[in-house]
Amino acid sequence: NAGVTQTPKFQVLKTGQSMTLQCAQDMNHNSMYWYRQDPGMGLRLIYYSASEGTTDKGEVPNGYNVSRLNKREFSLRLESAAPSQTSVYFCASRDSGRVYEQYFGPGTRLTVT
Amino acid sequence: AQSVAQPEDQVNVAEGNPLTVKCTYSVSGNPYLFWYVQYPNRGLQFLLKYITGDNLVKGSYGFEAEFNKSQTSFHLKKPSALVSDSALYFCAVRDVGNEKLTFGTGTRLTIIP
Repeated sequence: NAGVTQTPKFQVLKTGQSMTLQCAQDMNHNSMYWYRQDPGMGLRLIYYSASEGTTDKGEVPNGYNVSRLNKREFSLRLESAAPSQTSVYFCASRDSGRVYEQYFGPGTRLTVT
Repeated sequence: AQSVAQPEDQVNVAEGNPLTVKCTYSVSGNPYLFWYVQYPNRGLQFLLKYITGDNLVKGSYGFEAEFNKSQTSFHLKKPSALVSDSALYFCAVRDVGNEKLTFGTGTRLTIIP
């Protein structure tokens, strides 16, 4: 049981390049989330998916798109990367039944130059 | 709207002394409250939660937290600090019926040997 996995662990992009961050969970959770973590700002929600086939914006969605490919996988895409998107990105999942806490992946450290 | 405040960026405690990491929250309804810990270059790990019932909740690694509705606080505590408790701690809140989790900015806890 690997929990929540994220790929890649590290990535360097040039301004304007695109990339997709991958996230998968093997806990059969319904809800999945993408956050970014910046120093002094805590974690901010980018997008979330309450169930397969649905996605909703979080606090900071601009510049990002998401796809809930199936129940296991939730990807985050940067179409045209900007230096302001330099951050650590975390994926999380939650069983939307009576389990209230979210479980986090190890993160992707993204640098945009 | 929901929000969380962690008033201390940094808390230093001598090993063996009790520790407290402060958190206050604001929600329009009833809160679900959480504490997470983050070790260097790792994802967030769930410590404990308050959903309903007893105001004192116990969690992993000997941590506990007290829910105080009148003061809208959910402070994290431990009777005797260990050097291995040194990490970044996040408080988070979710309004009942809201899918989104809002995090505080984090408190860096350093235990001094």
